[in-house]
Amino acid sequence: EDQVTQSPEALRLQEGESSSLNCSYTVSGLRGLFWYRQDPGKGPEFLFTLYSAGEEKEKERLKATLTKKESFLHITAPKPEDSATYLCAVRTSGTYKYIFGTGTRLKVLA
Amino acid sequence: DTGVSQNPRHKITKRGQNVTFRCDPISEHNRLYWYRQTLGQGPEFLTYFQNEAQLEKSRLLSDRFSAERPKGSFSTLEIQRTEQGDSAMYLCASRPGTSGSAGELFFGEGSRLTVL
Repeated sequence: EDQVTQSPEALRLQEGESSSLNCSYTVSGLRGLFWYRQDPGKGPEFLFTLYSAGEEKEKERLKATLTKKESFLHITAPKPEDSATYLCAVRTSGTYKYIFGTGTRLKVLA
Repeated sequence: DTGVSQNPRHKITKRGQNVTFRCDPISEHNRLYWYRQTLGQGPEFLTYFQNEAQLEKSRLLSDRFSAERPKGSFSTLEIQRTEQGDSAMYLCASRPGTSGSAGELFFGEGSRLTVL
């Protein structure tokens, strides 16, 4: 069965303290891995799509990378406004659905 | 382009009542998804439409849940005989066809259901 696991569940960082969030996946045929940001009470907001191992995408303080088994979301010198839940999702062969992980709740302290 | 619109944003109902949520996707998007999200969890897939055709539905979805997209534009999700376990955020998302798209979903703000 296709699965997505995110770690850690929660992370507290000081402003400027860089770190990485992990998304590991077990799927039958990856058609894309997606990172989203979700603020409380809001719908998820798209960040990145990665399709193949070795691919990297960057946006401001965020950088997403992909291997054959996992993806990392690196946050460099985070600011308090980066506080949110970060969700990872995959599309796989044989289904239209996107499978989401449970997310990492990030809190950046000033 | 105003994004994906969902109504109502909040619904409080008593157990046993029926509720209906509406989703208006981004106008040029022919693919529409419904997800359910509870506190501390990721979105859970409910169903998928391509134009007006419902092409996939979660096996976990009770027969109390039904969704429609009659003209391939807006969609409705109805929950009959609501139970307390139905309390959740119901998210709608849309995306265009594959051409020129990274495949990402565009989500609405969600409809929060509380069943008393």
